[in-house]
Amino acid sequence: AQKVTQAQTEISVVEKEDVTLDCVYETRDTTYYLFWYKQPPSGELVFLIRRNSFDEQNEISGRYSWNFQKSTSSFNFTITASQVVDSAVYFCALSPEAGTASKLTFGTGTRLQVTL
Amino acid sequence: NAGVMQNPRHLVRRRGQEARLRCSPMKGHSHVYWYRQLPEEGLKFMVYLQKENIIDESGMPKERFSAEFPKEGPSILRIQQVVRGDSAAYFCASSPLKWSEAFFGQGTRLTVV
Repeated sequence: AQKVTQAQTEISVVEKEDVTLDCVYETRDTTYYLFWYKQPPSGELVFLIRRNSFDEQNEISGRYSWNFQKSTSSFNFTITASQVVDSAVYFCALSPEAGTASKLTFGTGTRLQVTL
Repeated sequence: NAGVMQNPRHLVRRRGQEARLRCSPMKGHSHVYWYRQLPEEGLKFMVYLQKENIIDESGMPKERFSAEFPKEGPSILRIQQVVRGDSAAYFCASSPLKWSEAFFGQGTRLTVV
């Protein structure tokens, strides 16, 4: 069985602070895919990133960066210099398939509140 | 190109009634996925459909729930004889190919009273 744990239910930061959202996963598959999604107040889920289990390189996209560590089964997400527009619920997800909506197992999400 | 459209956004049903949730995928997308988000929980996969075919329904409850994606028109998730435990947000996603990026709709919030 697959499981994703996001231990941080809610995080509150002041604008311009850096913030890291934790994600720990469990799977018996040797090939798997990890995802992060953002859910803004409008409700839809916005795809942020997909990594496969064979690619442990960290990735940076603007103010966003992801740290994939297979040894600790973690796929953490860092927002540098946070902004108010980053306020949302962030979900980490796991799938045995590459499709970004295929049989995803989601964590319970971390609500990020960025204030001025 | 409009995004994935789900309607209604909010739906209230009395126990025992039927709920019909509609999902119009993005133009050119023939793959549709339904997920359910119960309060305080993450989203859970329900079903994956291609036009006129159910590909994977391993996450669908065995009774009262059904889904279709006809050749013409939106995908429909149908819940018969709703119970309070069906109250949740139901999300739909679509993609042009199974392995390509999928886009989620804004969800339908079902409340059973």
